[in-house]
Amino acid sequence: QVQLVQSGTEVKKPGASVKLSCKASGYTFTNFAIHWVRQAPGQRLEWMGRVNTGNGNTQYSQEFQGRVTITRDTSASTANMELSSLRSEDTAVYYCARSSYDYSCFDYWGQGTLVTVSS
Amino acid sequence: DIQMTQSPSTLSASVGDRVTITCRASQSISTWLAWYQQKPGKAPKLLIYKTSTLESGVPSRFSGSGSGTEFTLTISSLQPDDFAPYYCQQYNSFPLTFGGGTKVEIK
Repeated sequence: QVQLVQSGTEVKKPGASVKLSCKASGYTFTNFAIHWVRQAPGQRLEWMGRVNTGNGNTQYSQEFQGRVTITRDTSASTANMELSSLRSEDTAVYYCARSSYDYSCFDYWGQGTLVTVSS
Repeated sequence: DIQMTQSPSTLSASVGDRVTITCRASQSISTWLAWYQQKPGKAPKLLIYKTSTLESGVPSRFSGSGSGTEFTLTISSLQPDDFAPYYCQQYNSFPLTFGGGTKVEIK
């Protein structure tokens, strides 16, 4: 069965960086894109970016351009998301999610990783 | 960016009720719209994609319609498991964007 398993809770200080991982199983990793979506408390879901797991190409939301880097490791069937220059407003649950390359809606999601940014 | 607006933000209903949630896009997205249900502490679950196609395993009481800028999610007969927030998402263009959510609560 398809699974996306994310790394655990993180607590960071303002200005730091955080790197989250998302390990895929149950399907051919390179046949689907991996996206990162976050949800701050009481806020709507917010798309951050995606990686083409086949060729490594990325696409980012302008909201996060310059602060976010999404990579993939095909040998480990894992996608990673690094967010830098953290501020309190980055406190959120971060999800990875899978989509086809043609249609970017999300049929499988990771369980989410809580990132808390606090001094 | 395409803005997605859902209404109402909260909907109070009873088991057995027919409920409709509306999602409006700030510009045409053709039929590139998905709906998700999110239970507390869980990731969103895909219910419907391409406006009206039911994801495998989703009960047939859920249906979607619309095109262009106006879309609806209908639950024909609300069940206890359906009380949850619902989100629409456009995937016509990047950046992908979501609606603000509609919380379906028990009346």
